[in-house]
Amino acid sequence: AQSVAQPEDQVNVAEGNPLTVKCTYSVSGNPYLFWYVQYPNRGLQFLLKYITGDNLVKGSYGFEAEFNKSQTSFHLKKPSALVSDSALYFCAVRDLSGGYNKLIFGAGTRLAVHP
Amino acid sequence: EPEVTQTPSHQVTQMGQEVILRCVPISNHLYFYWYRQILGQKVEFLVSFYNNEISEKSEIFDDQFSVERPDGSNFTLKIRSTKLEDSAMYFCASSEGVLAASTDTQYFGPGTRLTVL
Repeated sequence: AQSVAQPEDQVNVAEGNPLTVKCTYSVSGNPYLFWYVQYPNRGLQFLLKYITGDNLVKGSYGFEAEFNKSQTSFHLKKPSALVSDSALYFCAVRDLSGGYNKLIFGAGTRLAVHP
Repeated sequence: EPEVTQTPSHQVTQMGQEVILRCVPISNHLYFYWYRQILGQKVEFLVSFYNNEISEKSEIFDDQFSVERPDGSNFTLKIRSTKLEDSAMYFCASSEGVLAASTDTQYFGPGTRLTVL
């Protein structure tokens, strides 16, 4: 079965420092991986996705993610964190075992960026 | 920038009542989805809809649930007889569906918080 894991419930970072939010996946076949962010009282906003090609994927708001097949990871990164990046971050993988429509989400990681 | 919209933002209902949650997907999108998130738990897939029929559904999506695209813009989720455990945030999403559905990006609405008393 396809799954993703986000091992950290919360990540704390000082403003200006680099941030990493971790995600590991388990799939049969090629993984299609996504990152979403949820701000308070807002929906899930798409940040970036990995389908194929370069292992480093660039997305919205200065975020990027590195796909690592050998470590089955897709960590979200940003070189310099902003206080406004504080939010809930979800990693997701497309479930290829059914009709290819379903996203399977991780439990989410709360990012807190301190001034 | 086009967005998925959902109404209402918060719905409170009595157990056993019917509720309809409404969504307006992005206008040129062809695939529509409902997900839910029970407080403190993961976001879970409920159903996907394409070409006026359900293309995939989860075990959660039982006979109490139904979806409909009543006109060219709205996409609705109906829960016939709500239970306490239906209390959750319900998210609508849509994707283009022009290329392979598996690589499509799903764009989510802000959610409807359903509270069943």
